[in-house]
Amino acid sequence: DQQVKQNSPSLSVQEGRISILNCDYTNSMFDYFLWYKKYPAEGPTFLISISSIKDKNEDGRFTVFLNKSAKHLSLHIVPSQPGDSAVYFCAASTSGSARQLTFGSGTQLTVLP
Amino acid sequence: GAVVSQHPSWVICKSGTSVKIECRSLDFQATTMFWYRQFPKQSLMLMATSNEGSKATYEQGVEKDKFLINHASLTLSTLTVTSAHPEDSSFYICSARDLTGQGGFYAQHFGDGTRLSIL
Repeated sequence: DQQVKQNSPSLSVQEGRISILNCDYTNSMFDYFLWYKKYPAEGPTFLISISSIKDKNEDGRFTVFLNKSAKHLSLHIVPSQPGDSAVYFCAASTSGSARQLTFGSGTQLTVLP
Repeated sequence: GAVVSQHPSWVICKSGTSVKIECRSLDFQATTMFWYRQFPKQSLMLMATSNEGSKATYEQGVEKDKFLINHASLTLSTLTVTSAHPEDSSFYICSARDLTGQGGFYAQHFGDGTRLSIL
């Protein structure tokens, strides 16, 4: 039962263009969403998050959009840079004392110079 | 920013050996830490939630006698893989929440992981 899905295992984008990474979820109890970036042999690095009371959050080149009715969120990276090449995981959390995260399977982003 | 240090980064050992992995929050206190396991090209699977001063909470299907977790202080949690076998070979990652940092109560900050190889 995969509650958080990233249906695209990989994405290639030209440097300077926009990268759009997508994530779908099934659990309507999720109320907080996060994006992480991961390089090989390293732990994930927190990028940006969004609460379910918002539909957009922006931080520099990174913007996360949330469509609650569609149970869909996306991460936009503009402009894309070669250093952005990594695996991107979306994660979701429900209210509760532990605030555990449920991760998607990740999307490998490759930004071509 | 919040830094989580995990040690060792890579360990190779014989079948039957017990292996201890340490996870430290370097610049913040963490009452709760998390232990994940990642198989190649797959997502991070939560194994257990480590609570300072109390027993860990294990996810369904995770053997608590196999994966011993100790969270003795606000900055250190350890995962011991007891009597490790080749099927335990994996990438283990810990995380901790920095309640005052970016992402607040929700974001977890990860160590760099431990590659465990059991021969």
